[in-house]
Amino acid sequence: GENVEQHPSTLSVQEGDSAVIKCTYSDSASNYFPWYKQELGKGPQLIIDIRSNVGEKKDQRIAVTLNKTAKHFSLHITETQPEDSAVYFCAARFRSGYALNFGKGTSLLVTP
Amino acid sequence: DSGVTQTPKHLITATGQRVTLRCSPRSGDLSVYWYQQSLDQGLQFLIQYYNGEERAKGNILERFSAQQFPDLHSELNLSSLELGDSALYFCASSEGQGAYGYTFGSGTRLTVV
Repeated sequence: GENVEQHPSTLSVQEGDSAVIKCTYSDSASNYFPWYKQELGKGPQLIIDIRSNVGEKKDQRIAVTLNKTAKHFSLHITETQPEDSAVYFCAARFRSGYALNFGKGTSLLVTP
Repeated sequence: DSGVTQTPKHLITATGQRVTLRCSPRSGDLSVYWYQQSLDQGLQFLIQYYNGEERAKGNILERFSAQQFPDLHSELNLSSLELGDSALYFCASSEGQGAYGYTFGSGTRLTVV
């Protein structure tokens, strides 16, 4: 089936450290990979995305890398801050449809 | 404010009942997507509408149905409710048919008692 696997499910880091969340996908024809951040009581918010013709994209402290051969992509957050604490979801758009398939989420806790 | 409006924010109802969740997409967006979020299943895609027509179907139960109206707002109808239907229901919208640049609403929390 069309799956997105996300690891780890929980991640705790100290303020100032880096955090890395990894996802793998099953459909080699997938072409769009966004990351969402969900804070308590809110809907998921798009924080960065990457398309299959690009290997890396960066936006200030956030970066996403894509390895099409291995079918995995990762979110990197540097210099983490307590306000980065949230649940992060990766997603992929599969060839067979128009919608996004989401991973099960990573709960990130940044401790001061 | 994301620009995607969902009502109501909270809904408590009994098993066997029927409810309607409403979503107004961001101005200019033609696609609406419905997702169910539960603790153990994450974000599950239910259904997509584009400019009034159904475009894609995910893991939507037969007891659930949706539609998109000419003014582009969408409604998700849930009937014969079961305890297991308790979840957060999110609506998202995007400009085109493809799933680029989804914007989510703040969700409707449904509790079935």
